[in-house]
Amino acid sequence: NAGVTQTPKFQVLKTGQSMTLQCAQDMNHEYMSWYRQDPGMGLRLIHYSVGAGITDQGEVPNGYNVSRSTTEDFPLRLLSAAPSQTSVYFCASRRGTGGNEQFFGPGTRLTVL
Amino acid sequence: AQSVSQHNHHVILSEAASLELGCNYSYGGTVNLFWYVQYPGQHLQLLLKYFSGDPLVKGIKGFEAEFIKSKFSFNLRKPSVQWSDTAEYFCAVNPLTSGTYKYIFGTGTRLKVLA
Repeated sequence: NAGVTQTPKFQVLKTGQSMTLQCAQDMNHEYMSWYRQDPGMGLRLIHYSVGAGITDQGEVPNGYNVSRSTTEDFPLRLLSAAPSQTSVYFCASRRGTGGNEQFFGPGTRLTVL
Repeated sequence: AQSVSQHNHHVILSEAASLELGCNYSYGGTVNLFWYVQYPGQHLQLLLKYFSGDPLVKGIKGFEAEFIKSKFSFNLRKPSVQWSDTAEYFCAVNPLTSGTYKYIFGTGTRLKVLA
């Protein structure tokens, strides 16, 4: 199993550009989520999904969209990039709802100029 | 609002020193608790977890954590650290309320172990 994969690993955008961060998992996990990691702020939940076709907002959803058309994929879209979105983005998945270990992808380091 | 506090933001230890990292959470109901570790340049990995039963849980690489319900704490310990333990450590809480799928992470503690 590849686990949780993310692409790209690094990305530089200009303010106002849009892009999609890709996330895929091959463990047939129902739950997937996107976090951003900023120095001194830990991991903050952006969006999450409890299954194909079901998504919901986390604590910092503004400026991001998600969709979950398949169990495997959970892309994160930046609609109009801003410097405040410079961060490291992690995708995670887990089996079922609460109480199970989350498996994290390797992260995408995004810089918005 | 539910939150997780990690009071030590940066910790520097010499090899063989003992380690204790604090984690407190604000939620009165039943929780699942986790410690994750992020080695330099790598993604987060699970160190250990507590669901129920014995409040002293053992994880990988000699780490352990104790759940003290009355103190809402889940502190991470290791008797003797190694240089390879240099990493950032995150405490996470999963409140077990109906419809709650979220994990709440602390802000992390950066540990540097001097050889």
